[in-house]
Amino acid sequence: AQSVAQPEDQVNVAEGNPLTVKCTYSVSGNPYLFWYVQYPNRGLQFLLKYITGDNLVKGSYGFEAEFNKSQTSFHLKKPSALVSDSALYFCADRGRAAGNKLTFGGGTRVLVKP
Amino acid sequence: EPEVTQTPSHQVTQMGQEVILRCVPISNHLYFYWYRQILGQKVEFLVSFYNNEISEKSEIFDDQFSVERPDGSNFTLKIRSTKLEDSAMYFCASNVGTGELFFGEGSRLTVL
Repeated sequence: AQSVAQPEDQVNVAEGNPLTVKCTYSVSGNPYLFWYVQYPNRGLQFLLKYITGDNLVKGSYGFEAEFNKSQTSFHLKKPSALVSDSALYFCADRGRAAGNKLTFGGGTRVLVKP
Repeated sequence: EPEVTQTPSHQVTQMGQEVILRCVPISNHLYFYWYRQILGQKVEFLVSFYNNEISEKSEIFDDQFSVERPDGSNFTLKIRSTKLEDSAMYFCASNVGTGELFFGEGSRLTVL
């Protein structure tokens, strides 16, 4: 079975400081992992994905994520957070076959304070 | 940039009424999905649709729910007899099969 978990309901960080949003996975075979962001009253926006290859994946808005097989993690990172990064972040996984659904973690609310 | 569009953005209905939520997926996409999110919480999968039939559905997607692609562009979610607990944001998504899903802005359903 595929699943992802986000251990933190909320992360608070000061503007300019590094931001990390944690995600762990438990999947059989090779995971296919994603990060999405949801701004208030908006839909889900794709940030980045890991399929295979380089463990460090770069995405939109200056975000990146590191795939760590030994720790079964796929943490989202940003070197310097902005107040505008305040949002709800979702980690997700899906099977590799065409049309497979995304299964989301519980979400982590990020609050960046000025 | 192509996007998934959803209507209405907000619908208020009485319990027991039928509701139809509409989606226009990105034009060259082949796979379509509905998800729901209750009060900014977890995003839950409802159903996936390909080649004019349901590919997969969750336990939430019971007999009160149905999906349809009535023409070449629209993808609809129907709730036959709404319940209070159906109040949620409903998101439509589409993709070409592999890769990321593209989501619409959502339809907020309020059941009174």
